[in-house]
Amino acid sequence: AQSVTQPDIHITVSEGASLELRCNYSYGATPYLFWYVQSPGQGLQLLLKYFSGDTLVQGIKGFEAEFQRSQSSFNLRKPSVHWSDAAEYFCAVGAGTGGFKTIFGAGTRLFVKA
Amino acid sequence: DTAVSQTPKYLVTQMGNDKSIKCEQNLGHDTMYWYKQDSKKFLKIMFSYNNKELIINETVPNRFSPKSPDKAHLNLHINSLELGDSAVYFCASSQEGRGSGTSTDTQYFGPGTRLTVL
Repeated sequence: AQSVTQPDIHITVSEGASLELRCNYSYGATPYLFWYVQSPGQGLQLLLKYFSGDTLVQGIKGFEAEFQRSQSSFNLRKPSVHWSDAAEYFCAVGAGTGGFKTIFGAGTRLFVKA
Repeated sequence: DTAVSQTPKYLVTQMGNDKSIKCEQNLGHDTMYWYKQDSKKFLKIMFSYNNKELIINETVPNRFSPKSPDKAHLNLHINSLELGDSAVYFCASSQEGRGSGTSTDTQYFGPGTRLTVL
């Protein structure tokens, strides 16, 4: 069965420091992978997505993610975190058969300290 | 202009009541979804509709009944509300058309409806 694991429930980083949020997936076919961000009291917003091609994808707000098939991972990175990046981050996989189904990880809450 | 809107934003009600949450998207998308986000922030799909046709029904009690009067609207009606129904419910839409076979399109989420059942 398809699944998405985000091993870190929460992460705290200092403003200006680099960030990496981990995501591992389980999916039998070629995965379609997404990262979404949810600010407090808001809906989810897409940061970036991977379908094929270059395994390093660039997203909005200075985020990038690298698809590593051998490790079944799609980790999100940002070189320098801003206080406004504090939010909940969700990794997701598009589950192909029958379409229209996206499976989300449990989320990682990012705290940014001054 | 709001792309995906939900009403109400907050809903507080007693156990046993029946309530509805409305969702509208003005993006011209073919597919709409309902998700439930529990207190631990876990986001789980409930339903997916494509051009007013039910595509996904994910082990949701039949007290929950989605209705899609047209492809721009997907409402969620809940009968006999229970304490465990308390959550934030998100509506979303995507361009994805039928037969594409995979969930590749970006989903656009509404702001959520926080339901509290007392």
